[in-house]
Amino acid sequence: EAQVTQNPRYLITVTGKKLTVTCSQNMNHEYMSWYRQDPGLGLRQIYYSMNVEVTDKGDVPEGYKVSRKEKRNFPLILESPSPNQTSLYFCASRSGQTDTGELFFGEGSRLTVL
Amino acid sequence: GQNIDQPTEMTATEGAIVQINCTYQTSGFNGLFWYQQHAGEAPTFLSYNVLDGLEEKGRFSSFLSRSKGYSYLLLKELQMKDSASYLCAVLDSNYQLIWGAGTKLIIKP
Repeated sequence: EAQVTQNPRYLITVTGKKLTVTCSQNMNHEYMSWYRQDPGLGLRQIYYSMNVEVTDKGDVPEGYKVSRKEKRNFPLILESPSPNQTSLYFCASRSGQTDTGELFFGEGSRLTVL
Repeated sequence: GQNIDQPTEMTATEGAIVQINCTYQTSGFNGLFWYQQHAGEAPTFLSYNVLDGLEEKGRFSSFLSRSKGYSYLLLKELQMKDSASYLCAVLDSNYQLIWGAGTKLIIKP
């Protein structure tokens, strides 16, 4: 089954404790992206990757890091989480950067930073 | 700047028809998407329009006017399960998706 898998789905952590949210897709997609979603603000892009070893900042990259060492994986790293990073996070992928096909989303990771 | 506007919330009655509008101003245009998102879940793809006109897919239809920077999603024969947020997104000249804040649709019996 074609899917995007994120882990963990739910996490409560404390300020400053490094954490990683993993994302993996099994569709051989070149393009992957991370979004955060907050009430009233819609989806905001954090980082995206057009292919292995190629990453770019989105609209809200501050406080986040990513890596793309393999095509299927695109982890999101919060080096020193803060309460304003409490949010619902989605990983997504599509075939290619210039592909006009749909974006496939993971199930989401709800993060709370105390 | 780039901007996508859609109503924050709409209410409709089960069995009725509802139209959700979306207006956009973006740097270039490579198509417009509609996604459905139930509370706490991931968005799921509904439609993609790149040419002017109406695309029909079962109970859902999507319309695009590129000259007006305008689209709408039409939902017919509303069912309770259609209660969700509906997200409008435009693929800009750099093939980046610009998202609206979403329209929360409430269906009443």
